[in-house]
Amino acid sequence: KAGVTQTPRYLIKTRGQQVTLSCSPISGHRSVSWYQQTPGQGLQFLFEYFSETQRNKGNFPGRFSGRQFSNSRSEMNVSTLELGDSALYLCASSLDLSYNEQFFGPGTRLTVL
Amino acid sequence: DAKTTQPPSMDCAEGRAANLPCNHSTISGNEYVYWYRQIHSQGPQYIIHGLKNNETNEMASLIITEDRKSSTLILPHATLRDTAVYYCIAGTGTASKLTFGTGTRLQVTL
Repeated sequence: KAGVTQTPRYLIKTRGQQVTLSCSPISGHRSVSWYQQTPGQGLQFLFEYFSETQRNKGNFPGRFSGRQFSNSRSEMNVSTLELGDSALYLCASSLDLSYNEQFFGPGTRLTVL
Repeated sequence: DAKTTQPPSMDCAEGRAANLPCNHSTISGNEYVYWYRQIHSQGPQYIIHGLKNNETNEMASLIITEDRKSSTLILPHATLRDTAVYYCIAGTGTASKLTFGTGTRLQVTL
């Protein structure tokens, strides 16, 4: 069974630009969560999607948004990029909202210059 | 979600058992204890979780004290590939609400 895939793996953008990251969950998994990981703040929860609906949201500004498609694939978007948005963005999938085990992808390393 | 406290780093000799402690003294009755690990530059990997009883799977054992205020993750025969940051998390509801702390950096040496 293929794992969680994230594209692109690496990305370099400049301040003010926007970026879209993609996540394909494990086949059959319907819940997708996004996390931001930085050296200073550690791993922080961004949002979670299930059945194309955002179910939970972390404490991030509105510049961070996401969506989930009918095939459970998910995208997250960051608009008006800031230097502080440089981070590893991780996607995780699970069977459903109540399932305790999450499977993480390798992440997308975003660098904002 | 309950806050957890872990030592920042630990060393373990290859082949020996690695015992990683975690304190979660404010854990509430319906909160689970989860363990994940993150090997450098990879996404976190689920290891095990439990509520009250001790749990064991192919990767590790989880020992939870009777008062549930602390737990220990045991890797029975550590290998160099077990070198990673280990996160202990206490939480309820969906897994997505888990709060990852700073974890314990386990270094397995020859």
